Amino acid sequence: ELKVEQNPLFLSMQEGKNYTIYCNYSTTSDRLYWYRQDPGKSLESLFVLLSNGAVKQEGRLMASLDTKARLSTLHITAAVHDLSATYFCAVDPGRGSSGDKLTFGTGTRLAVRP
Amino acid sequence: DTEVTQTPKHLVMGMTNKKSLKCEQHMGHRAMYWYKQKAKKPPELMFVYSYEKLSINESVPSRFSPECPNSSLLNLHLHALQPEDSALYLCASSQASGAVDTQYFGPGTRLTVL
Repeated sequence: ELKVEQNPLFLSMQEGKNYTIYCNYSTTSDRLYWYRQDPGKSLESLFVLLSNGAVKQEGRLMASLDTKARLSTLHITAAVHDLSATYFCAVDPGRGSSGDKLTFGTGTRLAVRP
Repeated sequence: DTEVTQTPKHLVMGMTNKKSLKCEQHMGHRAMYWYKQKAKKPPELMFVYSYEKLSINESVPSRFSPECPNSSLLNLHLHALQPEDSALYLCASSQASGAVDTQYFGPGTRLTVL
């Protein structure tokens, strides 16, 4: 059974600081997704990472994938309050066809304080 | 149009009631999903329809019954639910393009079972 773990589970960070969220998974996969969820809201797609060494950046967030280590990271640069949310990674061990099952990580709740 | 819509937004029902949750997308996606999410937990996959056929059923109790009337609509019929079924129910849709099968989520239905 595929297991996807994130750490930390909760992160309180000061505005302007940098930090990294880690996502480890237990089986081979070339497809990893990052989502953001605001409290009481739905999930918003942030990144899809498709191959070993893939790196994607959007604003203050940068995601990377190391398929050999079965590890993805989400790096936050110079955090601002608007980034406060829960971040989930999700692994697709399938073939990338419609209807593949995603397994979500445990989630990291990020709180950015002044 | 990259929107998945869900109705109702909130639902309160007794354990003897029968109700339905509805989900709609007009992105031409051929896979649709139902997830259940408890507070502070990741979404858990319940059902997947691919090309209007049920392709994944994650051993969900029979009091939950999915239906896919056409490629744009997905229903979840509820009957004789238990209080522990109270949760946020999320619908998603996707359409694989290359190796990417990003799931787009609706706003969810918050269900309370009394």
